[in-house]
Amino acid sequence: RKEVEQDPGPFNVPEGATVAFNCTYSNSASQSFFWYRQDCRKEPKLLMSVYSSGNEDGRFTAQLNRASQYISLLIRDSKLSDSATYLCVVNSNTGFQKLVFGTGTRLLVSP
Amino acid sequence: DTGVSQNPRHKITKRGQNVTFRCDPISEHNRLYWYRQTLGQGPEFLTYFQNEAQLEKSRLLSDRFSAERPKGSFSTLEIQRTEQGDSAMYLCASSPSGREWGPGELFFGEGSRLTVL
Repeated sequence: RKEVEQDPGPFNVPEGATVAFNCTYSNSASQSFFWYRQDCRKEPKLLMSVYSSGNEDGRFTAQLNRASQYISLLIRDSKLSDSATYLCVVNSNTGFQKLVFGTGTRLLVSP
Repeated sequence: DTGVSQNPRHKITKRGQNVTFRCDPISEHNRLYWYRQTLGQGPEFLTYFQNEAQLEKSRLLSDRFSAERPKGSFSTLEIQRTEQGDSAMYLCASSPSGREWGPGELFFGEGSRLTVL
């Protein structure tokens, strides 16, 4: 079983739609959680951290459920520029930032 | 440009040849990571340096792979006797230590794409 699992998609949505991505992780000792964004043929970049209390950054909302070992990302009012791959990332907390990445979920926003 | 720099950006080689990639991290970052990414997959951790010390290596890093960071600044990743399965994007990332920075922000370079024929 992979340490971080995501639905690879693609998710095809029209502009303005709300879309949600989910991710599960297997290491219950994981302490830190993140969403990264990766554009086609580009490097991954941090989108946002994920906290148990939930956190919001503009149109993006991230949630963590430690009991279920489940992480989500909600994107409201999708823009064409949101088209990218969204990587669920877990810090394995081995004393340094060993980030474990999911396979990514591809989002395509169409006009 | 003060971001993470990697070169070469693209490398095509024949099976059995050796290749070397270089990474120049952000200058004030003392942590450096190598990841490998294949098509349709997320980046996979290969190895980690704190300054010049290589503190962690993944099982993915077979004995054909060696990474160095001799002066705690730039790093090299060498692959000997390349195989077709080594074809991938090799990503370097750096981060500062210290709690003043977010715990999960790695700054990635644009990667070095390796194609083994």
